Amino acid sequence: GAVVSQHPSRVICKSGTSVKIECRSLDFQATTMFWYRQFPKKSLMLMATSNEGSKATYEQGVEKDKFLINHASLTLSTLTVTSAHPEDSSFYICSARGIAKSSYNEQFFGPGTRLTVL
Amino acid sequence: DAKTTQPNSMESNEEEPVHLPCNHSTISGTDYIHWYRQLPSQGPEYVIHGLTSNVNNRMASLAIAEDRKSSTLILHRATLRDAAVYYCILIPSNFGNEKLTFGTGTRLTIIP
Repeated sequence: GAVVSQHPSRVICKSGTSVKIECRSLDFQATTMFWYRQFPKKSLMLMATSNEGSKATYEQGVEKDKFLINHASLTLSTLTVTSAHPEDSSFYICSARGIAKSSYNEQFFGPGTRLTVL
Repeated sequence: DAKTTQPNSMESNEEEPVHLPCNHSTISGTDYIHWYRQLPSQGPEYVIHGLTSNVNNRMASLAIAEDRKSSTLILHRATLRDAAVYYCILIPSNFGNEKLTFGTGTRLTIIP
């Protein structure tokens, strides 16, 4: 299947700093990218949806000024957690959807980024 | 999104078959039944999908009820590496920009 990468895989930062997470689709063009967060023992919660060149659409309750999403190209999306606080510590997972050989769009997930804010 | 219902957890012995059920009584005619799994500390990975007929691939088999209101993911010979959370998700054929949302899934424990 297609490959989606995330960088970094884990990051530890001090409270008040900003952290940028990159998501890349390595072998296909992603028409849409999604960002999820996941707390321990919980399911994935969708944060936002982004299309290349457009503003992201955020889910209810997700602060767009805190979680900045940039989808500059068909292979790269970034999530910046601004002024991070300990409650932002979580597992962040990106997902990319593109046109595959089959008749419908497939969606692939990155390996996740574990953010710990001290 | 149409809702799916799965047991919160299941256990199985290693090297035995595992049947993971999923109920989706409100499924529409154009919804595909997808299964993803999430290994510890990793992103979800695609397992299998189907529409009406049973499906087999190298990872698993998918048995779909005739009325499509339920389905079963079958792991033919469970290994310790199959321990994961398994998610059953309905995705419309016209996927477009629709959001893929996850329920609670089934946490599968494999007993050595």
